[in-house]
Amino acid sequence: NAGVTQTPKFQVLKTGQSMTLQCAQDMNHNSMYWYRQDPGMGLRLIYYSASEGTTDKGEVPNGYNVSRLNKREFSLRLESAAPSQTSVYFCASSGNRGYSTEAFFGQGTRLTVV
Amino acid sequence: KQEVTQIPAALSVPEGENLVLNCSFTDSAIYNLQWFRQDPGKGLTSLLLIQSSQREQTSGRLNASLDKSSGRSTLYIAASQPGDSATYLCAVSFWDNAGNMLTFGGGTRLMVKP
Repeated sequence: NAGVTQTPKFQVLKTGQSMTLQCAQDMNHNSMYWYRQDPGMGLRLIYYSASEGTTDKGEVPNGYNVSRLNKREFSLRLESAAPSQTSVYFCASSGNRGYSTEAFFGQGTRLTVV
Repeated sequence: KQEVTQIPAALSVPEGENLVLNCSFTDSAIYNLQWFRQDPGKGLTSLLLIQSSQREQTSGRLNASLDKSSGRSTLYIAASQPGDSATYLCAVSFWDNAGNMLTFGGGTRLMVKP
């Protein structure tokens, strides 16, 4: 019962460094999402993907890029990390309309940019 | 823009009490509403999903109700236990061309004292 798996769990970056957060789901869901969670700001959508090959911006996309590699995998890339990107990042997936649309979340990646 | 509010922001109760967490949303055109639990430093665990056509859902000691017309949902926890201590988040979803979009409330931080 893996569900949604994120790697890494923790990461410390220096300002200007790049990294990719990986996410994979094994529930055959079409939709996948990246959120960030900050104290006092709640969960905010960064990017989402309704199906393989499509991606769209969410509420806070600046500074990020995404790739929907296949149906299972959705990665988030920080090209030049900034301290403002210090946050907890969550990947999620859900099914299609007409099917179960319950959303499932990964365990999160705690990212610190110094 | 959909806005989701959770009241209270924090709640401390003695073990054994029945309690109600509140969630309100501004746009009633939702597809479903989902309640999550988040333990410190962990990911989100789905508790209950209520489809827009439903009035309530139950799972064990948890009961969630939905009143779309008034933009409200409540999560009722019966006979609270210290293990229920966590942050509870509600999220409403709507569909756009890209898929199922979730908007989160700020959460209620619950502490159940032995």
